[in-house]
Amino acid sequence: KAGVTQTPRYLIKTRGQQVTLSCSPISGHRSVSWYQQTPGQGLQFLFEYFSETQRNKGNFPGRFSGRQFSNSRSEMNVSTLELGDSALYLCASSQQGAFRTDTQYFGPGTRLTVL
Amino acid sequence: DAKTTQPNSMESNEEEPVHLPCNHSTISGTDYIHWYRQLPSQGPEYVIHGLTSNVNNRMASLAIAEDRKSSTLILHRATLRDAAVYYCILRATHGVGGGSQGNLIFGKGTKLSVKP
Repeated sequence: KAGVTQTPRYLIKTRGQQVTLSCSPISGHRSVSWYQQTPGQGLQFLFEYFSETQRNKGNFPGRFSGRQFSNSRSEMNVSTLELGDSALYLCASSQQGAFRTDTQYFGPGTRLTVL
Repeated sequence: DAKTTQPNSMESNEEEPVHLPCNHSTISGTDYIHWYRQLPSQGPEYVIHGLTSNVNNRMASLAIAEDRKSSTLILHRATLRDAAVYYCILRATHGVGGGSQGNLIFGKGTKLSVKP
């Protein structure tokens, strides 16, 4: 089975621009979660989608948004980029999502640099 | 969310056992204990999880204290490839009406170094 794939792997943008990141989950997985990882804040949960609906949301500003398609693929969008948005953005998929025993499988991440 | 406390870093010699501790004194009766690890330049990967009883899988063992206020991840023979940041995470039931209770809440983790 193919793992979680994320595109692009690396991205450089300038302040004020917007960016869209893509995530393809493992086949059969219906839940996709997004995380931001920075040296200062560590790994932080952004949001989770399940069957095309946002089910959970972390504490991030409205500039961060996402969506999920009928084939479970997900995209996240960051508008009006700020320098502090430079981070590794990780996508994780699981069968059910937020259940106590569910395992999340992570992709390799997209490294976003904002100049 | 219930919190976990882990040492910032630990060192081990190759082919020796490693015991990675985690304290979770405010754990609730329905929280599962999960361990993930993140190798350099990779996304986190699942290691093991448990509720009350000790658990074993091909990667590691999880020893859970009787009062569930602490747990220990055991790598039986550390290899250089086990050098990573190890995260101990408590997972609650999905919150009614949403919320982040069921998702992974990462702390700082323990950075494990393995010496040849």
